[in-house]
Amino acid sequence: KAGVTQTPRYLIKTRGQQVTLSCSPISGHRSVSWYQQTPGQGLQFLFEYFSETQRNKGNFPGRFSGRQFSNSRSEMNVSTLELGDSALYLCASSVDPTRPDTQYFGPGTRLTVL
Amino acid sequence: GEDVEQSLFLSVREGDSSVINCTYTDSSSTYLYWYKQEPGAGLQLLTYIFSNMDMKQDQRLTVLLNKKDKHLSLRIADTQTGDSAIYFCAESMWTNAGKSTFGDGTTLTVKP
Repeated sequence: KAGVTQTPRYLIKTRGQQVTLSCSPISGHRSVSWYQQTPGQGLQFLFEYFSETQRNKGNFPGRFSGRQFSNSRSEMNVSTLELGDSALYLCASSVDPTRPDTQYFGPGTRLTVL
Repeated sequence: GEDVEQSLFLSVREGDSSVINCTYTDSSSTYLYWYKQEPGAGLQLLTYIFSNMDMKQDQRLTVLLNKKDKHLSLRIADTQTGDSAIYFCAESMWTNAGKSTFGDGTTLTVKP
């Protein structure tokens, strides 16, 4: 069974640009969550999606947005990039939001903003 | 608000037991988790415990929960060099397992 796939794995952008990150969950998983990991702030929750609906959103500015498609794949977008957006962005999928025993994380996308 | 705290570093000898501690503030948390992160990798869910449980054992891992003190611990028996990693404690509500609050992680170093 394939794991959670995140693309691209590494990305370098400059300030002011925008970026789209992709997450493909494990087959049969309908819940996808996104987290930002930085040395200073640790792991911060960004979004949670289930069946194409955003169920929860973390405390991030409106420049951060996301969506989930009918095949459960999810994308997150960051517009007007700032240096502080440099981070490892992690995606996790599970069967549904009440099944933590089925939660798996992807390897992450390392975003560097210059 | 929600907060999860862990000590930052732990060093043990190979073959010893490791105990990683965590405290949390949200008394309504239902799930409490331990994750492992190795360099360059995502998070691996090691184990989780419901808030109505006191203990859970899974092979070399033992989780203890003290609800009164909001204290969670992870004991790794017979610690091996391959256990060297960052260990994260996290909590969530049962209806929002995908929205977890994480601690800052404990870096476990296992010396041969």
